[in-house]
Amino acid sequence: KAGVTQTPRYLIKTRGQQVTLSCSPISGHRSVSWYQQTPGQGLQFLFEYFSETQRNKGNFPGRFSGRQFSNSRSEMNVSTLELGDSALYLCASSLDGRGVLSYTFGSGTRLTVV
Amino acid sequence: AQSVTQLDSQVPVFEEAPVELRCNYSSSVSVYLFWYVQYPNQGLQLLLKYLSGSTLVESINGFEAEFNKSQTSFHLRKPSVHISDTAEYFCAVSDLNQGGKLIFGQGTELSVKP
Repeated sequence: KAGVTQTPRYLIKTRGQQVTLSCSPISGHRSVSWYQQTPGQGLQFLFEYFSETQRNKGNFPGRFSGRQFSNSRSEMNVSTLELGDSALYLCASSLDGRGVLSYTFGSGTRLTVV
Repeated sequence: AQSVTQLDSQVPVFEEAPVELRCNYSSSVSVYLFWYVQYPNQGLQLLLKYLSGSTLVESINGFEAEFNKSQTSFHLRKPSVHISDTAEYFCAVSDLNQGGKLIFGQGTELSVKP
């Protein structure tokens, strides 16, 4: 059974550009959550999607957005990149609506903004 | 708002010695508690979780954690560590009153030396 797949694994972007990250959950999982990991701020919750609906959102500016498709795959987008957006972005999938109780995390996408 | 404090940022220890990684959370009516482990260049792996019931929870690889409601703590222990336990460990809490998201501590880097 395949795990949570995040693509790409590594990404380098220039300040001001935008970026889209992808997360494919475990087959059958309907909930996808995103977290940002930085050395300074640690792990912070971005958003949670369940059955294509955003159920929860963290305290990030509007430049950060996401969506979930009918096959449960999720994308997150960051527009007008800033140097501080450099981070490891992790997504986690779970089978049902009780997301946090049964998360499986992907290996992450490491974004570097130069 | 819920918060998590991991009291030690780095814990060096010799192989086969016991270890305790400390975690405190701010009080709440009902919380779920988790420990995750992160190896270099990887995502987070669930080590163990406390949802309800027995206050002592165990993982398959010898770690255990005890939920102490009066002290709002969830310390992680292992009686004898191995080189392979070298990793970063994150304590996390989910307060269902704040929606389905994890609040993480800043992490404790466990370094096991031969």
